[in-house]
Amino acid sequence: GEDVEQSLFLSVREGDSSVINCTYTDSSSTYLYWYKQEPGAGLQLLTYIFSNMDMKQDQRLTVLLNKKDKHLSLRIADTQTGDSAIYFCAETPGGGADGLTFGKGTHLIIQP
Amino acid sequence: GAVVSQHPSRVICKSGTSVKIECRSLDFQATTMFWYRQFPKQSLMLMATSNEGSKATYEQGVEKDKFLINHASLTLSTLTVTSAHPEDSSFYICSARDGTRLREQYFGPGTRLTVT
Repeated sequence: GEDVEQSLFLSVREGDSSVINCTYTDSSSTYLYWYKQEPGAGLQLLTYIFSNMDMKQDQRLTVLLNKKDKHLSLRIADTQTGDSAIYFCAETPGGGADGLTFGKGTHLIIQP
Repeated sequence: GAVVSQHPSRVICKSGTSVKIECRSLDFQATTMFWYRQFPKQSLMLMATSNEGSKATYEQGVEKDKFLINHASLTLSTLTVTSAHPEDSSFYICSARDGTRLREQYFGPGTRLTVT
């Protein structure tokens, strides 16, 4: 079945860039997503990328996709304390019409 | 925009009873809603997909008679956990797909169910 893998923790210093990595196994993935979950809150859609794209940038966020290696990354520039959260990578094969397969989430810890 | 609410946020029920969880899209019409389950320190697992006006599609291993899903309108889907048991205790999260932005799913805040 489909599998999405992420590191469980990432620690960075405030002001540095954070790079959260994700690998997936489903070669039919068409859309890949990044969600943010803050304590006590629901998942917030950060960004998504179509599988025929290599990169997508949105303000401080940069998504890189290596489809050959099935590797997705999320770079957060100038990391702030408000970026502390769990970041979930997710994919769907069905053009967005299907439910998502999630990784276990990466807990981003910000050091002062 | 794109706000999804869930009610209740927390519920405690006794074993053998049924519990209904509501999921509402507040500012858009959701042609499709999804129900997920999240165990502690685990990822979200898709349980079922519901399209307005039709029967839900359940993922393998999810009992459709135990987890009843109704999607009667474009803004409301309900999940009823029937004859709940302690192993049903979990965090249930819904998401809704905006009919005009088909690639985006918006998630509710989740419902913590505890079965005693």
